Amino acid sequence: NAGVMQNPRHLVRRRGQEARLRCSPMKGHSHVYWYRQLPEEGLKFMVYLQKENIIDESGMPKERFSAEFPKEGPSILRIQQVVRGDSAAYFCASSPPANRGGELFFGEGSRLTVL
Amino acid sequence: GENVEQHPSTLSVQEGDSAVIKCTYSDSASNYFPWYKQELGKGPQLIIDIRSNVGEKKDQRIAVTLNKTAKHFSLHITETQPEDSAVYFCAALNNAGNMLTFGGGTRLMVKP
Repeated sequence: NAGVMQNPRHLVRRRGQEARLRCSPMKGHSHVYWYRQLPEEGLKFMVYLQKENIIDESGMPKERFSAEFPKEGPSILRIQQVVRGDSAAYFCASSPPANRGGELFFGEGSRLTVL
Repeated sequence: GENVEQHPSTLSVQEGDSAVIKCTYSDSASNYFPWYKQELGKGPQLIIDIRSNVGEKKDQRIAVTLNKTAKHFSLHITETQPEDSAVYFCAALNNAGNMLTFGGGTRLMVKP
């Protein structure tokens, strides 16, 4: 049973380009969470999605950031017109349906570097 | 929303000694408190968790205690080993049960 799969593991972009980060949850999991981790800092919640629905995006910057979790395929975190401050590790986590207060399973992260 | 504070930010111990990391939270309705270990270049992995209906939980060298009245919980690692060196995060689940708020992390260094 494969864990949470994130790709790419490392991504380098120039300022103004777009970054797309993908996350495939664990088999049987329908809840996906994205967290951002700046160097030497903790994990900051960004967005919580279920299939075809954004449940909570209170941690998402208002501009340039978007997330989706389509009926088929991975969840995607999209950052348009990247700036240097977007450089961070982006972690995806998943949990099973009806996960009322249960464990989140994290992927290995996607490390974005903006030149 | 929930606010989780974690101390210390760095902790250095000698191999074989104990390590204690403490967290406080703000939302009295939170009822699930996991601890994650993050090794360099990897994602966080759950090492132990506790729910509000118990005060203490132990798993081999790791234990967690919870004081709901004071809204704080702690991680205890006994007989530390060099492989325990990592960053540890505490977290609290919000009232709606759909968002984990993390503390700022503790970098634990176990010196052989």
